[in-house]
Amino acid sequence: GQSLEQPSEVTAVEGAIVQINCTYQTSGFYGLSWYQQHDGGAPTFLSYNALDGLEETGRFSSFLSRSDSYGYLLLQELQMKDSASYFCAVGDSGSARQLTFGSGTQLTVLP
Amino acid sequence: GAVVSQHPSRVICKSGTSVKIECRSLDFQATTMFWYRQFPKQSLMLMATSNEGSKATYEQGVEKDKFLINHASLTLSTLTVTSAHPEDSSFYICSALGTGGTGELFFGEGSRLTVL
Repeated sequence: GQSLEQPSEVTAVEGAIVQINCTYQTSGFYGLSWYQQHDGGAPTFLSYNALDGLEETGRFSSFLSRSDSYGYLLLQELQMKDSASYFCAVGDSGSARQLTFGSGTQLTVLP
Repeated sequence: GAVVSQHPSRVICKSGTSVKIECRSLDFQATTMFWYRQFPKQSLMLMATSNEGSKATYEQGVEKDKFLINHASLTLSTLTVTSAHPEDSSFYICSALGTGGTGELFFGEGSRLTVL
């Protein structure tokens, strides 16, 4: 089976940097993805790592270490609108498209 | 980017009735769509994989006779919750794979079902 662990809550202030970690155990691995979900809304795609290293997209970066079964999402220059839930997800042994999601990290950005 | 539309966004029904939720890919063809269920403050749980022109593949513990999935065309998948009960009240979200090969899933807006 698959399991992913991430912190349940993180709080930070505007302008700060936050790192949300994700460790995973899967029978197969087809990449680590990150999604953002605001209350009542649908998840939106943030990033995808298939290979080790850092991927940067604007204020957000994502890192993957396959040997450690570990990744993180880095959010810089936090803004109030970044308050949301963040989910890591892995493609399982069947398909890169069939994702298993972590339990989510609720990020609260304070003024 | 790719757009996935889901309808209705909210539905309230009486216990014992059936509810159909539609998921459409608006600007691309999706041979595979995924249906998730999300309870408040919890993660997304994959219910089933919907394949165009064939039977859906259900995850363990999901009753296929209760959650009927039809993927009749390359742009439409439907989820019907049959004989709904209050415990079926949840946020149902569909998704489809983007064409960029990055593993990006595009999600519909979600449908919040409340069964009275």
